Amino acid sequence: NAGVMQNPRHLVRRRGQEARLRCSPMKGHSHVYWYRQLPEEGLKFMVYLQKENIIDESGMPKERFSAEFPKEGPSILRIQQVVRGDSAAYFCASSTQRGTGELFFGEGSRLTVL
Amino acid sequence: QQQVKQSPQSLIVQKGGISIINCAYENTAFDYFPWYQQFPGKGPALLIAIRPDVSEKKEGRFTISFNKSAKQFSLHIMDSQPGDSATYFCAALIGKGTRLSVIASKSTFGDGTTLTVKP
Repeated sequence: NAGVMQNPRHLVRRRGQEARLRCSPMKGHSHVYWYRQLPEEGLKFMVYLQKENIIDESGMPKERFSAEFPKEGPSILRIQQVVRGDSAAYFCASSTQRGTGELFFGEGSRLTVL
Repeated sequence: QQQVKQSPQSLIVQKGGISIINCAYENTAFDYFPWYQQFPGKGPALLIAIRPDVSEKKEGRFTISFNKSAKQFSLHIMDSQPGDSATYFCAALIGKGTRLSVIASKSTFGDGTTLTVKP
């Protein structure tokens, strides 16, 4: 499967726990984007990363959220001390370095905070 | 301030009818307008996209109409089918003249339209 791979697809956490969401971009893509989708709402940009660099994190909450895209391995979105309001679908997308504007999305990770 | 406004929020169409979803944008620097289709439990997938140098783009049953002066664009689904039932998102981003991969992070999505096509 050459698509954007996200895991886990579903994650349940209790308040105060940590959530780690992983994203492997499409083969040949070096740019990763994370979006959050709340129920009945659109996609909200969170962060844009290249390998070992955070390019734009203007959509990330100031606290508890962090993202990385190491030289080796998947991109990880980390949410510390989760709260119920963090319950959402988190989508990862990737693009090529010289993209046409098309973002290829993964199938998302659905976080439920109890 | 929402940069891309999408309407309607939900739409019900009979099989064979025309589905029309509208989007309006604020930033005149936007120059690439994709539409994404999302089925329940799946990620969004690019459906069709247009640049502002043309007023219309058609791919099969899907057509984008673009009105640059009004800063509006719309998706038309002709001969709508039950299999078209999904959520549709419009988006706008700045791509011309810059490294698109950088600017893509600034893409703005509408809030989505849930389309139901009744058999």
